[in-house]
Amino acid sequence: DGGITQSPKYLFRKEGQNVTLSCEQNLNHDAMYWYRQDPGQGLRLIYYSQIVNDFQKGDIAEGYSVSREKKESFPLTVTSAQKNPTAFYLCASSLRDIQETQYFGPGTRLLVL
Amino acid sequence: GENVEQHPSTLSVQEGDSAVIKCTYSDSASNYFPWYKQELGKRPQLIIDIRSNVGEKKDQRIAVTLNKTAKHFSLHITETQPEDSAVYFCAASRSAGNKLTFGGGTRVLVKP
Repeated sequence: DGGITQSPKYLFRKEGQNVTLSCEQNLNHDAMYWYRQDPGQGLRLIYYSQIVNDFQKGDIAEGYSVSREKKESFPLTVTSAQKNPTAFYLCASSLRDIQETQYFGPGTRLLVL
Repeated sequence: GENVEQHPSTLSVQEGDSAVIKCTYSDSASNYFPWYKQELGKRPQLIIDIRSNVGEKKDQRIAVTLNKTAKHFSLHITETQPEDSAVYFCAASRSAGNKLTFGGGTRVLVKP
């Protein structure tokens, strides 16, 4: 399954709370991605980063924020502005860019209390 | 932006039969088309990909075909086995540095 990990496995968010999902890789990959998976909607891109200290918005970035201070780490914060955060979140990485194999983490399921 | 439609959403086949999943894309500049398989409770994994300079690619029981004129590509699984039961996602991207857009997924059930 590669060297990409996510934590926690399950996360509960209260109204008005920001929560952060962790994603770490030891594959020495430059590019990292965050996807949201909802039933019947496939994988939708939230943010992606091709290099440290740089990232771009995907299709559904509103209500989310990211940082890329280290090559190995790409945490995702789900802010209180995201009104429907309940979903399965998948982190992925690839060697350099989008047109190479993406290796996915095990995912984090976010639930709202 | 790119839009990828995937059909059918569910597919039930008898073990040993073939399965075909079709995807259409909207951006004529798209040139990379991967397929990912996600078994129940597991992470997606790349099973095959094709680039626009090739019309067909095979890997054992799996093949992908691409029709650039019609803007569609298909995954073919022959001699299906129970371990082929999973959700399959197609995707498309136009260039390195751009984003990958996924289809909605196809749930394949192989009945023994």
